[in-house]
Amino acid sequence: QQPVQSPQAVILREGEDAVINCSSSKALYSVHWYRQKHGEAPVFLMILLKGGEQKGHEKISASFNEKKQQSSLYLTASQLSYSGTYFCGTVIQGAQKLVFGQGTRLTINP
Amino acid sequence: KAGVTQTPRYLIKTRGQQVTLSCSPISGHRSVSWYQQTPGQGLQFLFEYFSETQRNKGNFPGRFSGRQFSNSRSEMNVSTLELGDSALYLCASAVGGGRDNEQFFGPGTRLTVL
Repeated sequence: QQPVQSPQAVILREGEDAVINCSSSKALYSVHWYRQKHGEAPVFLMILLKGGEQKGHEKISASFNEKKQQSSLYLTASQLSYSGTYFCGTVIQGAQKLVFGQGTRLTINP
Repeated sequence: KAGVTQTPRYLIKTRGQQVTLSCSPISGHRSVSWYQQTPGQGLQFLFEYFSETQRNKGNFPGRFSGRQFSNSRSEMNVSTLELGDSALYLCASAVGGGRDNEQFFGPGTRLTVL
């Protein structure tokens, strides 16, 4: 039931855009996004609770395609501070457990 | 408001020993979840407690157990330690259940099993 994230790693230059995908083999109830910087605890970015929902957080936004059982995280005009590992967590329909993907390591270079 | 605290921060044990980790959630939070983080496996869900009851459990052997007290503080116990148990153990608290709410993570306990 672990969601699959892609890509596993991405390297960008400051100012470039990135998309991180998260897909599930089962129908989803919710999708959660977290970012973890090296040596720190994961920090919450956003939750999507409704199919078709889109949310924004400064230049970071996400969408939730319920029919395709996937979510995408969009980072626009990336900044150095965006570097870290991004985790999506999913809860499948009818369940309570939040299960995280393996993470996507994002490196932003000046 | 104080954040989630975990003690101890670092721990070194030998195979066969047991260990107890502690987590104090943010005041007012009733849900505490535990995760194991290793470089190759990401964040693996161990269990979630809500109001002193285990609500969810991950796919870990029975050597991993936990409990939650009436003040919402939680402990995790690992018995008969194995080398593969070396990991960063994170706890996270939430106001309500983990499936609907933002989780606040503690700094983690780094466990090394020799």
